[in-house]
Amino acid sequence: QLVLTQSPSASASLGASVKLTCTLSSGYSRYAIAWHQLQPGKGPRYLMKVNSDGSHRKGDGIPDRFSGSSSGAERYLTISSLQSDDEGDYYCHTWATGSYWVFGGGTKLTVL
Amino acid sequence: QVQLVESGGGLVKPGGSLRLSCAASGFTFSNYAMSWVRQAPGKGLEWVSYISSTGSTVYYTDSVKGRFTVSRDNAKNSLFLQMTSVRVEDTAIYYCARDPGSGDEFDYWGQGTLVTVSS
Repeated sequence: QLVLTQSPSASASLGASVKLTCTLSSGYSRYAIAWHQLQPGKGPRYLMKVNSDGSHRKGDGIPDRFSGSSSGAERYLTISSLQSDDEGDYYCHTWATGSYWVFGGGTKLTVL
Repeated sequence: QVQLVESGGGLVKPGGSLRLSCAASGFTFSNYAMSWVRQAPGKGLEWVSYISSTGSTVYYTDSVKGRFTVSRDNAKNSLFLQMTSVRVEDTAIYYCARDPGSGDEFDYWGQGTLVTVSS
């Protein structure tokens, strides 16, 4: 069964960088995942898809401050030059036969 | 530009029914599979249902099978979720989302519609 694991929370200072992690469960280490941002009162925003080789493709209008990478079963979202508007919840998600579409538990990002 | 606008949410009693709609614009709706995703209060995102571009293939998460029905009208660029026998645990914001074709990502989302199930 596919499970995506995310840390519940993360924080970093204004102007700094933060790296969020999404870990794929055993047997799924070659799967790509997608990152989404969810802020209060807004619909989710697609950020990018991150492949197992670390390549990534961003959604429309996503700034260069957002980037993706991979290592083994881990998929990363790095946000540099943090802005207060980056605060929110970040979810990873993917699809697998039998599990259908699965989301991680989300990481709440606080910009200090 | 791509737009997805949900409607139809509201307050419904347990055991009742509700029909959600998602109006699509800015792209050729009939070329894309779509999904419904929900977020219960204080919880994370949960995939609910999928429908292929033609409507010939549908999937549901186990907790809604037999109670929810997804459909689409490609001539009217609209996606629907018929909810019956609703339960308190169906209370959530419901989002429609577009599948760009890869099957493992959603590249556009609506702003959501709130469904509250309460007596």
